[in-house]
Amino acid sequence: NAGVMQNPRHLVRRRGQEARLRCSPMKGHSHVYWYRQLPEEGLKFMVYLQKENIIDESGMPKERFSAEFPKEGPSILRIQQVVRGDSAAYFCASSPRDGTNEKLFFGSGTQLSVL
Amino acid sequence: AQKITQTQPGMFVQEKEAVTLDCTYDTSDQSYGLFWYKQPSSGEMIFLIYQGSYDEQNATEGRYSLNFQKARKSANLVISASQLGDSAMYFCATTPYSSASKIIFGSGTRLSIRP
Repeated sequence: NAGVMQNPRHLVRRRGQEARLRCSPMKGHSHVYWYRQLPEEGLKFMVYLQKENIIDESGMPKERFSAEFPKEGPSILRIQQVVRGDSAAYFCASSPRDGTNEKLFFGSGTQLSVL
Repeated sequence: AQKITQTQPGMFVQEKEAVTLDCTYDTSDQSYGLFWYKQPSSGEMIFLIYQGSYDEQNATEGRYSLNFQKARKSANLVISASQLGDSAMYFCATTPYSSASKIIFGSGTRLSIRP
């Protein structure tokens, strides 16, 4: 029973390129959450998705960032025209349901470095 | 708005001693959840323990226990008989009753265990 799988583990991009981060939730989980972590800081919520729907994107920048969770395949966090400030660790989490006592299962994260 | 405060940026503890990591929270929600996560140097986020705001007893999970003091809005993590493998960053987090997507993390405490 594989956990939450994120790839790539490390991603290096030059300014202006696109970054695509993938997340496969745990089997049976239909709720996916993306977070960003800057060095020595806690995780900050970006977006919450269910299959084919964005439920809450209040933490995601309006420009250059987008997320999807298609019917088939992994969830994708896409960052267009990356800038140095996008360098961070991006974590995906999944849960079988939404609610206050649902613990989130996290992936190992993708470390994005923008040169 | 919710807020988590972890006032100990770093701690050093002797192996086999017990350690308490502080966490205070601020929320206007009547119902909420409190979590602790561990992040080792490898980067993944590992769920440790959960406490619901209506739970009357303190949560325990093996060597971890959560000292929940609702009136003081504190949710300290206690690790008994610390081990070298406990060296990591520890994050306290809270969610409102409505959704795990609103989870808010503290800035973390870096725990180092001395042999």
